[in-house]
Amino acid sequence: QKEVEQDPGPLSVPEGAIVSLNCTYSNSAFQYFMWYRQYSRKGPELLMYTYSSGNKEDGRFTAQVDKSSKYISLFIRDSQPSDSATYLCAMRISYSSASKIIFGSGTRLSIRP
Amino acid sequence: NAGVTQTPKFQVLKTGQSMTLQCAQDMNHNSMYWYRQDPGMGLRLIYYSASEGTTDKGEVPNGYNVSRLNKREFSLRLESAAPSQTSVYFCASSGGQVNTEAFFGQGTRLTVV
Repeated sequence: QKEVEQDPGPLSVPEGAIVSLNCTYSNSAFQYFMWYRQYSRKGPELLMYTYSSGNKEDGRFTAQVDKSSKYISLFIRDSQPSDSATYLCAMRISYSSASKIIFGSGTRLSIRP
Repeated sequence: NAGVTQTPKFQVLKTGQSMTLQCAQDMNHNSMYWYRQDPGMGLRLIYYSASEGTTDKGEVPNGYNVSRLNKREFSLRLESAAPSQTSVYFCASSGGQVNTEAFFGQGTRLTVV
């Protein structure tokens, strides 16, 4: 069983819709949770990171962590065609850069104009 | 303002050939990582180096070796390439002010025939 599971999609929604992307994980030691966005033929870029359970908002993006259920989500409000990309969740055990980062398989998102 | 630089960008190898993928970062980060990305599999950690002089295996280390040459450089070597190693390889580094973030290179597209 993979440590981090993510629905690969693809997910296609109309412009302006609310998008929900999710990951589950099995290792309860994970403490730091990240979402990366990857455009085609590019390297991933950090979108948001959170620590502990709860919500974190940044513009149209909200990251949610539920440690009791080992479940994290990324919500995109008022989705735009420029949001079309692959979204990867990622997790690490420690704040220290010595701790490895484990990624989900990524969800390919397409926003239809 | 280079960030993480990978060379080469593209490579075709014959089965059994060897090659080294090069990675260098100019952000003075302590940690560096090698991932491979395959369709539907997300980013899988091959090896990582928490600091200069140390390396550790990730999820899929078989068939690869690494060298942390100095703080800036982290190379990945395929001793005897196999078609199963056809993939996109990403190098990343972390260890800045926000230690959770990993910065990625643009990737190396490797095909083994």
